[in-house]
Formats: sequence, structure tokens, C-alpha cells
Amino acid sequence: DGGITQSPKYLFRKEGQNVTLSCEQNLNHDAMYWYRQDPGQGLRLIYYSQIVNDFQKGDIAEGYSVSREKKESFPLTVTSAQKNPTAFYLCASSEDRGNQPQHFGDGTRLSIL
Amino acid sequence: GQQLNQSPQSMFIQEGEDVSMNCTSSSIFNTWLWYKQDPGEGPVLLIALYKAGELTSNGRLTAQFGITRKDSFLNISASIPSDVGIYFCAGQRYNNNDMRFGAGTRLTVKP
Repeated sequence: DGGITQSPKYLFRKEGQNVTLSCEQNLNHDAMYWYRQDPGQGLRLIYYSQIVNDFQKGDIAEGYSVSREKKESFPLTVTSAQKNPTAFYLCASSEDRGNQPQHFGDGTRLSIL
Repeated sequence: GQQLNQSPQSMFIQEGEDVSMNCTSSSIFNTWLWYKQDPGEGPVLLIALYKAGELTSNGRLTAQFGITRKDSFLNISASIPSDVGIYFCAGQRYNNNDMRFGAGTRLTVKP
């Protein structure tokens, strides 16, 4: 089945710890995205990547980092600098031509211990 | 970045009723999208609109791209219990990475 796989489904972070969220897609999409979702708010863009080895900051990049070493993978690291990391994190991908819709994974819920 | 104004925030309706929700913005968008999100899952694309004035249906769902390019609405006819969830609008401007989201409409359907 083609799609976007996020793991883990649930993740707990201790104080001062970095954690990495995985996102893998087999849709052959060039573009990948990370969003943060908080209750009662729209999705906010953290980082995006339009091509391997290149990525750009979104609206709320502080305290996060990403890498794009392979076309199918776009992991997100939530660093200890992110003081309010509790949220639902969504990964998406799309074809990078015209206004192609983004397709989402099933998300990772990150909580603080 | 500016998010979209989506209303209503929540709706409680009886099974069989029709539903209408909308999204507005002060900015022009080139594409309007409607997604549905079930609890603990990612949003699933319902309808994509690419042209001002476009009216598109997907089963019981109908969405329109406003003529001013600053708004869109989604209608659900003859609601059923599995329509329960949060519906999000999204607008894209020039690039795929320039997408803005509404805060969502939470739909509850009473049998």
C-alpha cells in the first residue's frame, strides 16, 4: 500500500532530552512537511523539504531540527530547546509541481514526562 | 503566518440533517482543500478545488471555491454517524509549502 508512515504513535520525552520522530513515504513524492497540531488551532508548519539534502524553516521552527538524506524519509528531532513540545505532530508529503495537495500520515503524539 | 477563519467551531446535528461549514481569508488562494480528521489520526483529503467558482462533489460532500478566491464552503448532505470528526479547510497560495489551515469544525452526529 502506498502511503505515509509515522512512528512511533506515542512518544514521551524527559526534561532535557532530544527525541526523534520518524516519517517515511513510498509515494515517490519530492516534497515533505512537518506540522504541529494543538487543540483548537490550525496546523502550523515546522519545516519542509522540496528535495533531498535541502530543507527550509516553516513558521515555528525554533526548537526543532530535520534532515533529508533520502527522498522517502524526513525525520524530525524535537530538541530540549523546545520548551512546550507536547502536541500532535503530523508529517505530510506532496508532488512538488503546481498546487498539489498534501497527504498526511497518522501522526505522533508527544508528551512530557 | 495567518491562518484561515473557519466556522462554525463545532456542530451538533441529528442524523439525516445537512451540514454547512465555511472558511474565509483576507488573502487570495489558488487552491482550496477540505480534509477530515478522525481522533488520533491524520487528516484525509476530501475535496480539492483549483478554480474560482468551481463546485465539486464527492459523494454526499460538495465544496465550492469562492468567486473572490478568499473563501470556500463545504456541505454534507444527509449526515450519518460516520461523518463525525473534525473538518479542516486549507488554502494554498503559490507553492505547496505555502499552505494555511483553518482551526477546524468539530462535527457530532446524533443517531
